[in-house]
Amino acid sequence: DTEVTQTPKHLVMGMTNKKSLKCEQHMGHRAMYWYKQKAKKPPELMFVYSYEKLSINESVPSRFSPECPNSSLLNLHLHALQPEDSALYLCASSLLPGQGNNEQFFGPGTRLTVL
Amino acid sequence: GENVEQHPSTLSVQEGDSAVIKCTYSDSASNYFPWYKQELGKGPQLIIDIRSNVGEKKDQRIAVTLNKTAKHFSLHITETQPEDSAVYFCAASEGGSYIPTFGRGTSLIVHP
Repeated sequence: DTEVTQTPKHLVMGMTNKKSLKCEQHMGHRAMYWYKQKAKKPPELMFVYSYEKLSINESVPSRFSPECPNSSLLNLHLHALQPEDSALYLCASSLLPGQGNNEQFFGPGTRLTVL
Repeated sequence: GENVEQHPSTLSVQEGDSAVIKCTYSDSASNYFPWYKQELGKGPQLIIDIRSNVGEKKDQRIAVTLNKTAKHFSLHITETQPEDSAVYFCAASEGGSYIPTFGRGTSLIVHP
C-alpha cells in the first residue's frame, strides 16, 4: 500500500467554526507533513512530525493545530480561520533520513474554503 | 537555505513534440532531485527522481539529467500526449533532511 489518504476531499467552513482534516498512511513512514498550497504555487511546508513528535513548525498561526495520534494518522485542527486560509491542504509522508529512500508521498489534498 | 529556480513557468507544445523544463539549485549539499506532476484537483505525484551520483535517468518517455558542477537539472518529456498536461514541480533536498525545496512550477499544456 503506497497511498496517503486524506479526508474530507472538500470542506467549507465559516470563520467561527472548528473543523479537522485527517490524513492516514500505512507505509510505515515515521515522518509526516502538512503543506498548504495556493493556486499556481508550490506546496508550502507547515508542519513536520518525526516519530509522532512535532519537529518543525514553520511559524504557522495558532489557529492551525496539528496532532499525530499514532504512526499512521495525522490531523490538522482548524479554528477561527480567515478567508485567506482558503487553499489546498496536502498531507505527505516519508521515511526518516538514514532509513532509506527520501521520496515523499503526497495525499490528494483537502480543498478548504473559508467563508 | 536551498533555493530552486524553475523555468519556464508555462510551456505550450503540440502533441508529439518534446518538452523540456529546467531547474537550478543553490546548495551544493543537495543530493536528491525529484520531479512531481500535479494534475488539477490532485496532490503532487512523483514521476521520476535522480540522485547526485548519476547524471541521467530515463523511464519510458521521461528522462532527467543532472549537472552537479553547474547545479542544474532538467526534465525531458518526449512524444508528449494531452494527458501530460499538468503542473510540474522540480525539487531538491539533501541527505540530512528529507524536506524538499520546490521550484515555482511549470504549467505544461499539450495541444491535441
